[in-house]
Amino acid sequence: AQTVTQSQPEMSVQEAETVTLSCTYDTSESDYYLFWYKQPPSRQMILVIRQEAYKQQNATENRFSVNFQKAAKSFSLKISDSQLGDAAMYFCAYRSPRGSGGSNYKLTFGKGTLLTVNP
Amino acid sequence: DTAVSQTPKYLVTQMGNDKSIKCEQNLGHDTMYWYKQDSKKFLKIMFSYNNKELIINETVPNRFSPKSPDKAHLNLHINSLELGDSAVYFCASSQGLAGEPLFFGPGTRLTVL
Repeated sequence: AQTVTQSQPEMSVQEAETVTLSCTYDTSESDYYLFWYKQPPSRQMILVIRQEAYKQQNATENRFSVNFQKAAKSFSLKISDSQLGDAAMYFCAYRSPRGSGGSNYKLTFGKGTLLTVNP
Repeated sequence: DTAVSQTPKYLVTQMGNDKSIKCEQNLGHDTMYWYKQDSKKFLKIMFSYNNKELIINETVPNRFSPKSPDKAHLNLHINSLELGDSAVYFCASSQGLAGEPLFFGPGTRLTVL
């Protein structure tokens, strides 16, 4: 079974600075998908960014980018020019492209990193 | 315009009661999910339906029964509620194709007294 580990329960960053959130995962598959979700205090889960394992190029969405290291099974999220609205819980998630019992249909989440943005 | 909606958003009830949470998505997705988020914010899959067929049932007590009347709806019924059932329950949907992200509803905070 795949596991996702976020080793930083909490992080903080000054407004306008850059912060990197770590995520590692364990899988025996060569093809899969990785995601970062954001959960602000409103508790709504919001998709931040998505990465396909077969693509070497790191995904980017505006101020959010990832550093995907497939060999190391690492998928970190970099937030540039941090804003107060970035304060939230961030979850890393893994999705298998195939598998028995419907396992390819679900996301497996890490335990989350709580990001605080200081003004 | 809400993509995935859940009702109610808050539910407070006594132990032993039976309650339901409803979920609807208007994204045209063919797969729907229930996730449970515990007090430590950990998200765990409970059930998934693809085209109204149950495809994931993750070691959930049989007091929990999902029902999907059609592709756009997935309801969760809970019998004989226990204190440990207190959590936030998220409904989500996706296209069943590999790699597609899940879109989540706003969550239902269930408190069992």
